Amino acid sequence: EAQVTQNPRYLITVTGKKLTVTCSQNMNHEYMSWYRQDPGLGLRQIYYSMNVEVTDKGDVPEGYKVSRKEKRNFPLILESPSPNQTSLYFCASEPSSGRAYEQFFGPGTRLTVL
Amino acid sequence: EDKVVQSPLSLVVHEGDTVTLNCSYEVTNFRSLLWYKQEKKAPTFLFMLTSSGIEKKSGRLSSILDKKELSSILNITATQTGDSAIYLCAVEAEVGAGGGADGLTFGKGTHLIIQP
Repeated sequence: EAQVTQNPRYLITVTGKKLTVTCSQNMNHEYMSWYRQDPGLGLRQIYYSMNVEVTDKGDVPEGYKVSRKEKRNFPLILESPSPNQTSLYFCASEPSSGRAYEQFFGPGTRLTVL
Repeated sequence: EDKVVQSPLSLVVHEGDTVTLNCSYEVTNFRSLLWYKQEKKAPTFLFMLTSSGIEKKSGRLSSILDKKELSSILNITATQTGDSAIYLCAVEAEVGAGGGADGLTFGKGTHLIIQP
């Protein structure tokens, strides 16, 4: 089954404790991205990757890092989480850049930073 | 900076009513406009619109794009409680333009509640 998986689905952590949210897709998609969704603000892109070893900042990259060492995986790293990073995070992938209509979203990760 | 504005932000109607959701945009190098439905999980794709004046339909849902007015509407007729969701509008810019490789900029969404 074609899918995007994210782990963990729920996470409660404390300020400053490094964490990684994993994202994996099994569709051989080139393009992957991370979004955060906050009430009243909609979905905002954090980082995206056009292919292996090619990443770039989205609209709200501060406080986040990503890596793309393999095509299928695109982890989101919070080196020193802060309460303003409490949010719902979605990973997404699409076959290649510019094919958003074929975008698959992961199930979401709800992160709370205390 | 690319901008997508949805209205209303929230809407409560009764089952059977028809609703119209609005999306306006300011995007450099417009490529397409997409509508999504989000229930208590990830957004699911509804429509992609690229050409002005051509209506896309799927059951009771339909959408149309007006490139002159830089806007789109999503219509839902004979609403049902299962239509309750957040409806997201997103605009895709040409590769290489501001906002990301695919320039996907989302609006804040319209929270639609259908009362029985």
